[in-house]
Amino acid sequence: DGGITQSPKYLFRKEGQNVTLSCEQNLNHDAMYWYRQDPGQGLRLIYYSQIVNDFQKGDIAEGYSVSREKKESFPLTVTSAQKNPTAFYLCASSIWGAGQGYTFGSGTRLTVV
Amino acid sequence: SQQGEEDPQALSIQEGENATMNCSYKTSINNLQWYRQNSGRGLVHLILIRSNEREKHSGRLRVTLDTSKKSSSLLITASRAADTASYFCAFRAGGTSYGKLTFGQGTILTVHP
Repeated sequence: DGGITQSPKYLFRKEGQNVTLSCEQNLNHDAMYWYRQDPGQGLRLIYYSQIVNDFQKGDIAEGYSVSREKKESFPLTVTSAQKNPTAFYLCASSIWGAGQGYTFGSGTRLTVV
Repeated sequence: SQQGEEDPQALSIQEGENATMNCSYKTSINNLQWYRQNSGRGLVHLILIRSNEREKHSGRLRVTLDTSKKSSSLLITASRAADTASYFCAFRAGGTSYGKLTFGQGTILTVHP
């Protein structure tokens, strides 16, 4: 079955640590996205990538970094510079274009301990 | 903010009743999409309506779009307990990168059996 897989489902980070969230898709989608969701809130865009080896900052990129070395993979690193990283992180993919819906992963819940 | 605004923020109904959620936005759009999110899970794409369409149906879902009022509504008919979830509208805000979606804050729907 085609889909998008995020791992781990739960992640705990100590203050000052960098952590990397995994996102893999086998849908042959060109575009991939990372969103952050806080309790009771909508989604805010962190980074997005239209094609391999290219990515753009979203609305809240500070304290985050990404790479897009393979079409299937778009990992997100939450760095120690992100002051309030506790949130639900969602990865999505789509065919690049204005008329396309997104396919989402099941999310990673990150907690700072 | 370019985020969409949804109302109500929360809606509680009995099984069998209809549920209506509204979304307003501030920019020109190419299309508007609705997504569903079960608690702690990723979002699922429900329906997409293009800017030149006024109404669209999919099963028990009916979406309307009024571009003159910059608003959309999602109607779920004959609701079921399994419809309990958060519902988000999403759109590509005018002037942003082709394909990048902006999400509303969401409506939490609770359907009581």
